[in-house]
Amino acid sequence: QKEVEQNSGPLSVPEGAIASLNCTYSDRVSQSFFWYRQYSGKSPELIMSIYSNGDKEDGRFTAQLNKASQYVSLLIRDSQPSDSATYLCAVRGGAGSYQLTFGKGTKLSVIP
Amino acid sequence: NAGVTQTPKFQVLKTGQSMTLQCAQDMNHNSMYWYRQDPGMGLRLIYYSASEGTTDKGEVPNGYNVSRLNKREFSLRLESAAPSQTSVYFCASSLREGSYEQYFGPGTRLTVT
Repeated sequence: QKEVEQNSGPLSVPEGAIASLNCTYSDRVSQSFFWYRQYSGKSPELIMSIYSNGDKEDGRFTAQLNKASQYVSLLIRDSQPSDSATYLCAVRGGAGSYQLTFGKGTKLSVIP
Repeated sequence: NAGVTQTPKFQVLKTGQSMTLQCAQDMNHNSMYWYRQDPGMGLRLIYYSASEGTTDKGEVPNGYNVSRLNKREFSLRLESAAPSQTSVYFCASSLREGSYEQYFGPGTRLTVT
């Protein structure tokens, strides 16, 4: 069974700090990786996608992928209180797979 | 663009009642998905439709049926609701093969008593 593991948190960081969110996955043939942000009572919102090993930066967000270690992470620089939310890691399987497997999420709290 | 819309937003059912959750997208996406989200369980895929005219089971299909009415609309039906189906249901869509970024609707909060 494909598994995606995240630390449930809560992860607390002071405003302005770097928040580091981690995710590991079990399916070695996984090809696509996504980070979603979900505010309480709201739907998941896609914030980053990454397909190749290495780093991908978008504004204050950096996604990092290491397929050999089956590890994907999300860094949030200059964290703001508005970043307080649950962050979901999602992984797509091998070629032809449409299904995403989601982790249970890490709750991030940015303290002013 | 409204994106992905879902109706209703909230619903309370008695055990054994049936209902259909509606989902529509105006982004010309090919693929559509139904998920449920439960505390401690995360998001789990119920059914998906890779393209108009096709549907497939996801991780937790039991107790549900789906219809891909056309390219825009994908409905989820509970034939005989059970308390275990109390959950938040999300519909999502993605553009095409090779682009698997999924965009979610606002959700339907369903309570079965």
